[in-house]
Formats: sequence, structure tokens, C-alpha cells
Amino acid sequence: AQSVTQLGSHVSVSEGALVLLRCNYSSSVPPYLFWYVQYPNQGLQLLLKYTTGATLVKGINGFEAEFKKSETSFHLTKPSAHMSDAAEYFCAVSEKGANSKLTFGKGITLSVRP
Amino acid sequence: NAGVMQNPRHLVRRRGQEARLRCSPMKGHSHVYWYRQLPEEGLKFMVYLQKENIIDESGMPKERFSAEFPKEGPSILRIQQVVRGDSAAYFCASSPQTDSGNTIYFGEGSWLTVV
Repeated sequence: AQSVTQLGSHVSVSEGALVLLRCNYSSSVPPYLFWYVQYPNQGLQLLLKYTTGATLVKGINGFEAEFKKSETSFHLTKPSAHMSDAAEYFCAVSEKGANSKLTFGKGITLSVRP
Repeated sequence: NAGVMQNPRHLVRRRGQEARLRCSPMKGHSHVYWYRQLPEEGLKFMVYLQKENIIDESGMPKERFSAEFPKEGPSILRIQQVVRGDSAAYFCASSPQTDSGNTIYFGEGSWLTVV
């Protein structure tokens, strides 16, 4: 079985500050890893994903994440927060192989202070 | 707009009524997933369907919930005899038949309120 842990439910940063959202996963097989963003009353939008290859993955809106197998982590970062980054962020894991279901963490709400 | 389309976006039902949520996948996608998001929780997998087949329903409650994806038309998530605890956002997602990265694309959700 797979699981995702996102510690804490809320992170607040100042505009221009570093964003770090943590994600740890548990999987008995090599995983695919994802970060999704959800704006209020909207669906989830894919930020980035790791499947194979380079462990540092770049996504949309300046976000990136690094897959660290030894730490079973896939933390999301952005060097400089923007007000428009305020949203809920979900980390997810799936098994490798076509069309495996995603298992999501509980999500983290990011607030950006002016 | 070729995105995943869900309707209705908002649905209010009285306890004991039936709720039907519809999902049209992205063009060219033959796989549909339903997820439920309860307040203060992440998304929980419910069911995975292909055309006319249920592939994985391990997340579906044993009673009152059913899903289908017919050969023609949208996927339907049906909740019979709704209770207050069914109030949640229900998200549909779709993916193409083959995708080496398991990326799924979400609709904007259907918010069910049971009064």
C-alpha cells in the first residue's frame, strides 16, 4: 500500500520568500510522484511530476521538486513566493505502470503575506 | 474547451434523495477516476473505470454508491439515499489509454450538499 504524509496543514510565507512544502511517501515499489495545486472552488492542476530520470523536476509557475529516494521525500520548492501562489497543494504517489490510481496527501494551504 | 467537464457544479439534496454526478472526460481519454474530497482532508480515491468496465472500486463505499461509464455518454457517479456525511466535493479525472507517467487531468468538481 502507498501513502503520503504532508506535515502541517498550513504554511505562511512573505511575498518574495522561499516556499518549501514537504512531502514524504511510503511505497513498496518505485513510485511516480506528483504535486498538484488547487485554487478555491476549482479542480486540481498538475504542477509537476517525477517518473524516471533526473531527480530534480521543474514544473509550472517556477516550482520544482526533488525526488530523494533515501529520504522517501519529494519536497516542493519555489525560490520566491508570489501572491498568486496562495492555494492548496497536494502531493500524490502512484505505482509505476499505466493508469495506476493516485494516492493523495491531506494537502497544505499556502498563504502569502504582502 | 477540451477539459474534463463535470456537472452539476453544485448540487443540494435532502437526506434520502438520490444524487447523480456526471463527468465527461477529455477528448480522447478512455479512463475515468472519481475522487471525493471531504472538508479538511485530501482527495480519496473512489473508483476507476474504463468504457463499460469498472477496473478498481476499492475506494467505493459498499452501499448506496455506484458508478458507471457507458459506451456512449458521460460517466455517472450515483449516490442513493444521501446522508449528511455524503456532503463533499466530488472530482472526476481522466487519462488517455496509454500514459507512461500516470498523469490524470481533473475536472472542476461537483459540490454536493445534503440538507
